[in-house]
Amino acid sequence: GENVEQHPSTLSVQEGDSAVIKCTYSDSASNYFPWYKQELGKGPQLIIDIRSNVGEKKDQRIAVTLNKTAKHFSLHITETQPEDSAVYFCAASPSGTYKYIFGTGTRLKVLA
Amino acid sequence: DTAVSQTPKYLVTQMGNDKSIKCEQNLGHDTMYWYKQDSKKFLKIMFSYNNKELIINETVPNRFSPKSPDKAHLNLHINSLELGDSAVYFCASSPGKDTQYFGPGTRLTVL
Repeated sequence: GENVEQHPSTLSVQEGDSAVIKCTYSDSASNYFPWYKQELGKGPQLIIDIRSNVGEKKDQRIAVTLNKTAKHFSLHITETQPEDSAVYFCAASPSGTYKYIFGTGTRLKVLA
Repeated sequence: DTAVSQTPKYLVTQMGNDKSIKCEQNLGHDTMYWYKQDSKKFLKIMFSYNNKELIINETVPNRFSPKSPDKAHLNLHINSLELGDSAVYFCASSPGKDTQYFGPGTRLTVL
């Protein structure tokens, strides 16, 4: 069935370092890949997304890359700050559907 | 001017009770969703409505019944609550098959 694997489950980095979170999806019909940040006690907030016709997208310190052949996509955060600490979720949405399949989440800790 | 709002934020109740969670969005979106997030943070879709019609109905016990009185509202009613229903429930909305925007969540605790 449809599945999204996300790694690592936890990630600790020093402030100012980069963080990379990786996801692999199983449904080759997926064509939309959003990333969400969830802070403690809050709902997931969209931080960046990418569509299958694009290989890379950047927004300030955040970038996402997509490799359709390998069915991999990754989130890159540069110059991490303590306020980046949160749980991050990737998701994949099969073409023509309303459905998101979420990854299992990565708890990122940025150490000051 | 909250985009997706849910009430209540916290809900503590006894096993066997019936409870409802309400969701409203002021984004003008056509599609609304209910998700369940368990203690391990797994986010799983439960239901989705598009223009008041049910379009996604995952394998959810029929004790859970969604209701969409209009495009801007999607409520979740749960009958005969069980311990395993304890979780955080999120409502979300989207403009069709596109980016979903989540509410702040309702933490349900069943004692």
